[in-house]
Amino acid sequence: EAAVTQSPRNKVAVTGGKVTLSCNQTNNHNNMYWYRQDTGHGLRLIHYSYGAGSTEKGDIPDGYKASRPSQENFSLILELATPSQTSVYFCASGAGTGGYAEQFFGPGTRLTVL
Amino acid sequence: GDSVTQTKGPVTLSEGTSLTVNCSYETKQYPTLFWYVQYPGEGPQLLFKVPKANEKGSNRGFEATYDKGTTSFHLQKASVQESDSAVYYCVLGDRGSALGRLHFGAGTQLIVIP
Repeated sequence: EAAVTQSPRNKVAVTGGKVTLSCNQTNNHNNMYWYRQDTGHGLRLIHYSYGAGSTEKGDIPDGYKASRPSQENFSLILELATPSQTSVYFCASGAGTGGYAEQFFGPGTRLTVL
Repeated sequence: GDSVTQTKGPVTLSEGTSLTVNCSYETKQYPTLFWYVQYPGEGPQLLFKVPKANEKGSNRGFEATYDKGTTSFHLQKASVQESDSAVYYCVLGDRGSALGRLHFGAGTQLIVIP
């Protein structure tokens, strides 16, 4: 059974609208991450969390907020969506610290902002 | 900062031929190195990781040696199959990060023709 799930899988939004992407993990991992994937850039870190109630900025946080209400759930929020935020978004969870441990990824959400 | 550079794709090969995807990294610390693979419609998944310099990792016929001297971690496979068609990411794990931070290369798409 999938340990990291994302919803929705596909989303079309209008410029200026609010978008919420949701992620749920059943791995019981403390760390969770949001990335976006764009051709030529690989995966870039937007926000991350060490546990319930915590969120931290990654490398490209502008225009995004995050929320971690519980161990299992981590949301990415676009308050005012723009066409430049059209991308594929991945959520991941990980247990380890110090860069040793594997991260487990969800299947992704394809977001199109018109 | 930490960075990873890898072969620019797509790489197109015939079934049964050999594969090399070059990967070079830059860092001031002593990282763990990973190869992740992403199949169409899925999130990235771990292929294998190597935490120590001069050691080799392998999985499913793929292998790579962590070369600290040349700061390289090239992915190789002796005989590719159509099912190997995917995007391959070279990834650097930041050991200094309590977050378990990963730095992704841009990815290399492999297309294997039967």
